[in-house]
Amino acid sequence: GIQVEQSPPDLILQEGANSTLRCNFSDSVNNLQWFHQNPWGQLINLFYIPSGTKQNGRLSATTVATERYSLLYISSSQTTDSGVYFCAVEFGAGSYQLTFGKGTKLSVIP
Amino acid sequence: DAGVTQSPTHLIKTRGQQVTLRCSPKSGHDTVSWYQQALGQGPQFIFQYYEEEERQRGNFPDRFSGHQFPNYSSELNVNALLLGDSALYLCASSGGHRGSPYEQYFGPGTRLTVT
Repeated sequence: GIQVEQSPPDLILQEGANSTLRCNFSDSVNNLQWFHQNPWGQLINLFYIPSGTKQNGRLSATTVATERYSLLYISSSQTTDSGVYFCAVEFGAGSYQLTFGKGTKLSVIP
Repeated sequence: DAGVTQSPTHLIKTRGQQVTLRCSPKSGHDTVSWYQQALGQGPQFIFQYYEEEERQRGNFPDRFSGHQFPNYSSELNVNALLLGDSALYLCASSGGHRGSPYEQYFGPGTRLTVT
């Protein structure tokens, strides 16, 4: 069936470290988004990236649609980066729903 | 540029009751989707409204219903509440003629507790 798998499920980093989060998906996509969910539950848009590479400050993302994976890079992590990172995918023609992975819980310690 | 807004922020209901949650989309968006997020899980798609009609529905029972108004705002109604309906309910908006029509933006959510 349609799947979105994220790894690792949990990640603990020292402040200033770099990290890579991975999202694998099972079919071709119209839409792929990365979100950061803060402790209050708000989903914050990080990237809309069905293909290619984008950068925004210390964050960057790459999606290789032909190989069905996306990577989120966080450089020089800060404590405010803590939270859950979700990859969400909209599969194929005629589908309008985002299917979310289970998330990566990131904890950045001072 | 106003973002997605939802009301109320928190709600406590009793089993068997009915609840209505509200959502106003981001300025310029015409499509509203609703998601349910249980504790420790990713959000699950409930349904999407476009042009005042339900365009797509996820795997939720018909106790979950919705509506979209001419100003694109939306309501989510849940009847005969069960304890398992306790969750964070998220509204997302998308569409319009600026930027990517597929990119979804989420509101802050309504936390529903059923006792």
